[in-house]
Order: sequence, then C-alpha cells, then structure tokens
Amino acid sequence: AQTVTQSQPEMSVQEAETVTLSCTYDTSESDYYLFWYKQPPSRQMILVIRQEAYKQQNATENRFSVNFQKAAKSFSLKISDSQLGDAAMYFCAYIGGSQGNLIFGKGTKLSVKP
Amino acid sequence: GAVVSQHPSRVICKSGTSVKIECRSLDFQATTMFWYRQFPKQSLMLMATSNEGSKATYEQGVEKDKFLINHASLTLSTLTVTSAHPEDSSFYICSASAGSYEQYFGPGTRLTVT
Repeated sequence: AQTVTQSQPEMSVQEAETVTLSCTYDTSESDYYLFWYKQPPSRQMILVIRQEAYKQQNATENRFSVNFQKAAKSFSLKISDSQLGDAAMYFCAYIGGSQGNLIFGKGTKLSVKP
Repeated sequence: GAVVSQHPSRVICKSGTSVKIECRSLDFQATTMFWYRQFPKQSLMLMATSNEGSKATYEQGVEKDKFLINHASLTLSTLTVTSAHPEDSSFYICSASAGSYEQYFGPGTRLTVT
C-alpha cells in the first residue's frame, strides 16, 4: 500500500528566511502525482504545488519549489523568503495514476517568526 | 475556476438528530466527490468516495448507515450524519474531481453535536 511520511510535526522559520519541509512516500507505481497542500487556520485546503512523477524537472511556483528525488521517493518543499502568511499546516499528498484517492501525510505545522 | 462550496460552514445539533452537509461544484461537473473527516491537529481521513449516480464507496471502518452519502447530480453531493452523537463532532471536508487526478476542496463544515 502507498504511504506518505512527514517526519517533522513542527517547523519554525524566521521571516524572510528559507525553510524546507520533508516528505517521503512509498509506492510501487510508476505513474503518480505528488502535491503539497497548505491548510491555514481557516482550514481551507490550498494547493501549493504539484509534481508529476514522469517529469524530471522540479516544480516551482513563485517562492515555493520542490526537490523531487524519484529514486529516493522523496518530495521536499522549499519555501523561500518566508512570509507571516505562510504560517499553516502543510500536507504532502500522493495519488497514483491508477486510483483516485489522495493519500496524505500527517502534516507539518509551520510557524513564521517576525 | 474550480470552486467547491460547502454548506453549512458550521452546524450545531443535538444528540440523536440528523444533519445534512452539502457539497457543490460551482463551475465544473464533478464526476467524483470525496468526503473527508479531520480531527483537531490531525490529517484528513478519507471517509468515502462517490460517483454521480452510483452508490458511494466507503473506507474501512466508516459506517455507511450512519454517514449517508448521495451524489445525485454532477454538481451536488450530500453527507447526512444520522443519529448524531458527540463523538461525531468533527470537521468534514469534501473535494470534487472532474475526472482527472486533481481534486478541488471545499472550505469544510464544522459539526458540533451537543
């Protein structure tokens, strides 16, 4: 069965600094997609970034980028120039190409210090 | 685009009563809708998957007679918590998919059973 592991329950970063959130996953599928979702205090799930497994190039969305290591089954999220509004729970998620269910990690609570 | 709404955003009901939560895709046709439950400081737990016009598929451990799911149209799915008890108090989130791997999340419903 597929699993997603986030080993950092909490992380903290100084405003304007860079932070990296870790995520590893386990799968036997070759076709899949990976996501990072942000859940602020409002609890609305917000898609931060997505990565297709068949793409070698790491996805980037403005200040957010990923380090996708397919062989190591690692999918970390880097947040550059952290802002106070980045404070939230971050969930790593996986979906296989053959099934429709998202599998979430346990989440990492990110705090941003002014 | 790809907006999903949920109603109500908050609901308080008495123990033993039933409560219905609606999930609507506002600008696309959702062939599949998902219902999640989230306890405080935890990740999302998939409860069931519903396809338009078909019976929902429930995850192991989720009582289908207690959590009734209906997906009668391509834009509306409902979750009815029957004979609610305080332990059913939680945050319920729906998501919708137009047939691809992408899921779009609603803002969630906070249910409190007194």
